[in-house]
Amino acid sequence: SAVISQKPSRDICQRGTSLTIQCQVDSQVTMMFWYRQQPGQSLTLIATANQGSEATYESGFVIDKFPISRPNLTFSTLTVSNMSPEDSSIYLCSVVPGQGAVGYTFGSGTRLTVV
Amino acid sequence: AQSVAQPEDQVNVAEGNPLTVKCTYSVSGNPYLFWYVQYPNRGLQFLLKYITGDNLVKGSYGFEAEFNKSQTSFHLKKPSALVSDSALYFCAVRDMGSGNTPLVFGKGTRLSVIA
Repeated sequence: SAVISQKPSRDICQRGTSLTIQCQVDSQVTMMFWYRQQPGQSLTLIATANQGSEATYESGFVIDKFPISRPNLTFSTLTVSNMSPEDSSIYLCSVVPGQGAVGYTFGSGTRLTVV
Repeated sequence: AQSVAQPEDQVNVAEGNPLTVKCTYSVSGNPYLFWYVQYPNRGLQFLLKYITGDNLVKGSYGFEAEFNKSQTSFHLKKPSALVSDSALYFCAVRDMGSGNTPLVFGKGTRLSVIA
């Protein structure tokens, strides 16, 4: 299965600033998914990122707040912009590795605290 | 629309006793079903999945799950719980016919195994 390197693993940020989270996959994948896990909550899908096209955002998430880049088939970034304490969460990327694969692999997560 | 229900926020079990973490799902077609575990300050780890075939699926760390189509359930089980099994468990689903769409997660069940 694919291995995902997600960075940073954690950060403490000032409100009003932005943080960019990176996910690097060790194989080429078509789709990457970005999730948010608020404290004590389940995983909520933020957006789906395909290489070569704009990300598709779920209801409640907008590109201005969570811009995503997908420059190639092994890499993606999620930026949390103009942060507020409500953005304090764990952010995870996920992929479906390989043609016909069914299992989903997750990055180790980025624990973001906004102060 | 796809959905997952984990009716228990918390499950407590004594070490050595069998454990069950419940999950029911809703999809329009046939499901792909998954269980993931999240240890404190760690990422999401894959436990097992049901794709097709045998209704009893065996996974990592001695866990297994039984797919019951008539009851739309996929309960996670282990014959003898360990203190180290204490963690947050997520059930997730995807419609088999939906392509590489993202997983939909339940709210999670916190398992506490008491020595």
